[in-house]
Amino acid sequence: AQSVTQLGSHVSVSEGALVLLRCNYSSSVPPYLFWYVQYPNQGLQLLLKYTSAATLVKGINGFEAEFKKSETSFHLTKPSAHMSDAAEYFCAVSARLGRAGTALIFGKGTTLSVSS
Amino acid sequence: EADIYQTPRYLVIGTGKKITLECSQTMGHDKMYWYQQDPGMELHLIHYSYGVNSTEKGDLSSESTVSRIRTEHFPLTLESARPSHTSQYLCATKAWGSTDTQYFGPGTRLTVL
Repeated sequence: AQSVTQLGSHVSVSEGALVLLRCNYSSSVPPYLFWYVQYPNQGLQLLLKYTSAATLVKGINGFEAEFKKSETSFHLTKPSAHMSDAAEYFCAVSARLGRAGTALIFGKGTTLSVSS
Repeated sequence: EADIYQTPRYLVIGTGKKITLECSQTMGHDKMYWYQQDPGMELHLIHYSYGVNSTEKGDLSSESTVSRIRTEHFPLTLESARPSHTSQYLCATKAWGSTDTQYFGPGTRLTVL
């Protein structure tokens, strides 16, 4: 069965510092992988997704993630943090869901704090 | 503009009341989902639908029910709300044949006293 583990429930960085949010997945088939961001009292917004094309995926707001099959990882990075990046970040993997095709299995999320 | 709408955004209600959380979309997507999210926790799938007149329960057992009479509308109902139902409920959609990308509404934060 597919699963997602996000290492570190809370990450704190200074403005301008590198952001690294870790995600490891478990999947018996080549996965589709996603990173979503959630701002307070809002829904989830897609940051980027891996769908078996290029292993380095670029997303919105300067974020990118690299799919590493050997490490079953899909870590999210951003070279320089901005105050507006403070939010909750969720990693997700697609999973078969009967006749509906697929659903998303989410990690527990990582809260990113950015200090000035 | 294509979008997903959820109403109400916030609801505080007493125990035993019947409530319906609304989700509507103008995305034109056939698949719709309801997730439950407790503070600091991952999202859990509670209901999904492939299309009109099809609904299924998700991984997380829920006392809520859903209906899908129209493509664009996927309401969730609790017949008798309890404090254990206090949570955030997120609606999502997905297009048929897409690369599994789901699009989310803004959510409804429910508090049952």
